[in-house]
Amino acid sequence: DAGVTQSPTHLIKTRGQQVTLRCSPKSGHDTVSWYQQALGQGPQFIFQYYEEEERQRGNFPDRFSGHQFPNYSSELNVNALLLGDSALYLCASSLGGAPIFLDEKLFFGSGTQLSVL
Amino acid sequence: QQPVQSPQAVILREGEDAVINCSSSKALYSVHWYRQKHGEAPVFLMILLKGGEQKGHEKISASFNEKKQQSSLYLTASQLSYSGTYFCGSVTNNLFFGTGTRLTVIP
Repeated sequence: DAGVTQSPTHLIKTRGQQVTLRCSPKSGHDTVSWYQQALGQGPQFIFQYYEEEERQRGNFPDRFSGHQFPNYSSELNVNALLLGDSALYLCASSLGGAPIFLDEKLFFGSGTQLSVL
Repeated sequence: QQPVQSPQAVILREGEDAVINCSSSKALYSVHWYRQKHGEAPVFLMILLKGGEQKGHEKISASFNEKKQQSSLYLTASQLSYSGTYFCGSVTNNLFFGTGTRLTVIP
């Protein structure tokens, strides 16, 4: 049973560029959440996708956008990259339900390490 | 809204016990606990719902005091495999992770 897979594992970009990160959820999961984890910090919630729609969003600017496909895989797009966007980006999958997060066990991927120069 | 964890770091010898605390300034609906080893993905440990319940996972257990908006993770008879960074996640209208507690178990 494949777990959560993310690609690429590492990425180097320059300021102002755009980046797309990809995530395939664990088999049977229909919900994908994205997190940004700066070095030495806890994961910060970016947004969650359920039924191909953004269900909840954290305190991130509109430069961060996403998409969920009919097969439940997801993409995270970041435009106009800033140096401060350098971080580990984690994708987590779960079985969607309400209320959000209350009793949702999250399965994390190993992440994409983004470096912005 | 980020929960505060304490201590920030702790070093244990194998077989010793530890407690990690998580405190929120907001009313909580539930609390999550995850462990992340260096260079790896966070791994789910447990979720505690309102009701002051206590849960266990092998020799790791946790409690949730909703009135105090606090949760504690208890590690008993620690093993080398327990090393890693422990994150609590507080659920209000969203899931906010704390800054983590780095636990190191030495022989």
